Amino acid sequence: QKEVEQDPGPLSVPEGAIVSLNCTYSNSAFQYFMWYRQYSRKGPELLMYTYSSGNKEDGRFTAQVDKSSKYISLFIRDSQPSDSATYLCAPQGPNTGFQKLVFGTGTRLLVSP
Amino acid sequence: DVKVTQSSRYLVKRTGEKVFLECVQDMDHENMFWYRQDPGLGLRLIYFSYDVKMKEKGDIPEGYSVSREKKERFSLILESASTNQTSMYLCASRPLQGAGGANVLTFGAGSRLTVL
Repeated sequence: QKEVEQDPGPLSVPEGAIVSLNCTYSNSAFQYFMWYRQYSRKGPELLMYTYSSGNKEDGRFTAQVDKSSKYISLFIRDSQPSDSATYLCAPQGPNTGFQKLVFGTGTRLLVSP
Repeated sequence: DVKVTQSSRYLVKRTGEKVFLECVQDMDHENMFWYRQDPGLGLRLIYFSYDVKMKEKGDIPEGYSVSREKKERFSLILESASTNQTSMYLCASRPLQGAGGANVLTFGAGSRLTVL
């Protein structure tokens, strides 16, 4: 079983739609849940992260974690064409010395005007 | 603005050539990483370095080597390039201890290598 599973998409939505991007993971030791955004021909950049279960909101973006079901979500409200990118989830353990970081394969999002 | 810079954005090489990919970071980070990214496979760790002259194999080190002679520079070397090494190569760095306990990687823009 992969440590992180993520639907590759592409997910196509019209401008203004609410978008839901999801990941599942298998390691119950994960405590930090990162989302990276990667534009075409660029490297990933950190969008936001949450610690443990619950929600975190940042503008139009909301990250949600359900540790009981090992399910991670990223919601985008009022999606814009500039949100078109690949979104990678990256759950990880606590920062205690070196650890290998895992990434989902990424979901490609296309927001049409 | 802090940065990870990959000097070569696009390279085309021939099978058997030796290839050098350079990465420089200006954040005084201890840890540096090389990943390759392929459609459907996501990011796969090739090598990482937790300090100068220190290196550890990642998940797919075969056919690659690395060099870290200075803290800010981490080089990936393909000793004899093959067509299955055609890929996007991403360098990343992070500090030894992440702020707030999270490990945040800063990535470069990537180097797209085509081996003919």
